[in-house]
Amino acid sequence: AQSVTQPDIHITVSEGASLELRCNYSYGATPYLFWYVQSPGQGLQLLLKYFSGDTLVQGIKGFEAEFKRSQSSFNLRKPSVHWSDAAEYFCAVVGDTGNQFYFGTGTSLTVIP
Amino acid sequence: NAGVTQTPKFQVLKTGQSMTLQCAQDMNHEYMSWYRQDPGMGLRLIHYSVGAGITDQGEVPNGYNVSRSTTEDFPLRLLSAAPSQTSVYFCASSYSGGAPETQYFGPGTRLLVL
Repeated sequence: AQSVTQPDIHITVSEGASLELRCNYSYGATPYLFWYVQSPGQGLQLLLKYFSGDTLVQGIKGFEAEFKRSQSSFNLRKPSVHWSDAAEYFCAVVGDTGNQFYFGTGTSLTVIP
Repeated sequence: NAGVTQTPKFQVLKTGQSMTLQCAQDMNHEYMSWYRQDPGMGLRLIHYSVGAGITDQGEVPNGYNVSRSTTEDFPLRLLSAAPSQTSVYFCASSYSGGAPETQYFGPGTRLLVL
């Protein structure tokens, strides 16, 4: 069965510091992986996705993620965090049906000035 | 395009009451789904639909009904609300092709069951 683990429930970083949010997935075949961001009181917005090809994918707002099959990971990174990046971040993997998403429990990011 | 819209934004119910959460999309997406979001549990799939007239259960379907009479609308019904259904509900839609597609989410409905 498909599943996603986000080991960090909450992360605090200083503005301008680098950021890495961890995501580990469980899936038997080639995974389709997504990162979404949720600002307080809002719905989810797509940051980036990996389907195939280059294992380093670029997304919106300066985010990138690297797919590592050997580690079953799809970690999200940003070189310099802005105060507006404070939000909750969700990693998701798509299941066998091609549409059924499995989400991690999320990582809440706090940015301190 | 309005994208995915949900109504109401917030609702308070008493135990045993029924209600329908509305979801509509104007992107002609075949696939629509309902999730609930609870603290520490992320988003869990309740029901989904791959097209008009076709629905199926997700991870946590108990206590919820759905139907899909049109491509645009996918309402979620609570027949007899329970406090355990207090949650934030998100509707999402996407194209339904051979490969996975990006899901677009509505703004959510916050439900409190007393």
